[in-house]
Amino acid sequence: GEDVEQSLFLSVREGDSSVINCTYTDSSSTYLYWYKQEPGAGLQLLTYIFSNMDMKQDQRLTVLLNKKDKHLSLRIADTQTGDSAIYFCAESPGSGGYNKLIFGAGTRLAVHP
Amino acid sequence: NAGVMQNPRHLVRRRGQEARLRCSPMKGHSHVYWYRQLPEEGLKFMVYLQKENIIDESGMPKERFSAEFPKEGPSILRIQQVVRGDSAAYFCASAPQGEETQYFGPGTRLLVL
Repeated sequence: GEDVEQSLFLSVREGDSSVINCTYTDSSSTYLYWYKQEPGAGLQLLTYIFSNMDMKQDQRLTVLLNKKDKHLSLRIADTQTGDSAIYFCAESPGSGGYNKLIFGAGTRLAVHP
Repeated sequence: NAGVMQNPRHLVRRRGQEARLRCSPMKGHSHVYWYRQLPEEGLKFMVYLQKENIIDESGMPKERFSAEFPKEGPSILRIQQVVRGDSAAYFCASAPQGEETQYFGPGTRLLVL
C-alpha cells in the first residue's frame, strides 16, 4: 500500500540544524518532495529530489535519500524562527503517468531562541 | 505569473447546504489536483482533472462530491448536502503538461455548522 510516515514534532534552538525524517513505501516513486505550510496558509514547495539521486543541496536545505531503506530526510542549516512551520514529505507513486501525491501527516517544527 | 488562485478562502455552510469551491490554475497549466486536509492531518488526494476530463477520482467520496474542469473557467469542487465531517481545508494544485511538480493554492477552509 501507499503510506508516508513522519515524526510529528521537532523542537530546535535558533541557529542549530534541524533534521526532519520521513519513510515511504512505494519504491516506484520517481520524485519525493518537501513542502512547507505556515499557519493558515497553503503549501509551499521547498525542494524535491529525483529517485536516482542520493543527495540534493539548495542553500540551507539538504535532502538525503536512502532508496534501499525508503528513507528521506530534510536538513535545515542555521534554523531561524521563520522556519517554524509544518513540513510535509510527499511521494509520487509511479503508476498512471501522472503525479498523485501521497503526503505524510507533517512534522511541526518549533524554533525557539 | 500569478499563482494558483482559490476562492473563497473561507466558507461557512450549514448542514444540508451546498459548497462550491473554485480553483484557477496557473497560466498555462492544464492539470488540476484537489486535496483535502482534515485538522491535524496531512493532505489526502481527491481527484485529478485535465481540461474537460476527470482522469482519476479514486479519492473522492462516492456520494455528494463532484468535480469539473471546464474548457473555459476555473475548476470547481462541489459538495452537496454538506455534513460536519466535510469541515476541512481543500487545496487545489496545478501542473503543466509533462511536468511533475505541483503548485498549490492557498486553500479554501470550509466550516460546516
